[in-house]
Amino acid sequence: EPEVTQTPSHQVTQMGQEVILRCVPISNHLYFYWYRQILGQKVEFLVSFYNNEISEKSEIFDDQFSVERPDGSNFTLKIRSTKLEDSAMYFCASSGGSGWAEAFFGQGTRLTVV
Amino acid sequence: GNSVTQMEGPVTLSEEAFLTINCTYTATGYPSLFWYVQYPGEGLQLLLKATKADDKGSNKGFEATYRKETTSFHLEKGSVQVSDSAVYFCAYSGGYQKVTFGTGTKLQVIP
Repeated sequence: EPEVTQTPSHQVTQMGQEVILRCVPISNHLYFYWYRQILGQKVEFLVSFYNNEISEKSEIFDDQFSVERPDGSNFTLKIRSTKLEDSAMYFCASSGGSGWAEAFFGQGTRLTVV
Repeated sequence: GNSVTQMEGPVTLSEEAFLTINCTYTATGYPSLFWYVQYPGEGLQLLLKATKADDKGSNKGFEATYRKETTSFHLEKGSVQVSDSAVYFCAYSGGYQKVTFGTGTKLQVIP
């Protein structure tokens, strides 16, 4: 069964450093998303991406964040200068292939900022 | 605005007990409704879904019915197992739009 894959599974970075989280969405999907989940809390929407541009973003997605689809398969989330409060699980999702438009989630990247 | 409200956890049940986790939604139009499950240390898995009023989603013994009149999508299972211990998220989506999650309900099943 097709799946969304995320790398790395765990990333530790120093405060102020840039990080790039990578995702490979399901190949025939058209809509891509990033969410985050601070430990023990709810899953929060960050951004959605369609047709090579951001279609919606939350107030969490400030200028420190950016997304890119650099080629036909990868979808990346960049955090320019990480803060302690960016420590969370980040989930990538995709939707919009054949059939119903449910979102399929990756296993997540646990980001720890120290 | 649109939102999902689900019951506070944690919920602790004995094995083979009946489970209900309440979920109500506020949304314009006709959203699709979902239950996602997150097992300890893992990602989000779609458990079941319903795309229109009166639809019943079911999977792994879990069921939920899309009730437009009460704007609810309660999750039920007749006999829970220890392996069902997880966090359950009610969620909705307006087609290709983002998924909006509830706060999650932690279920702990004890032998």
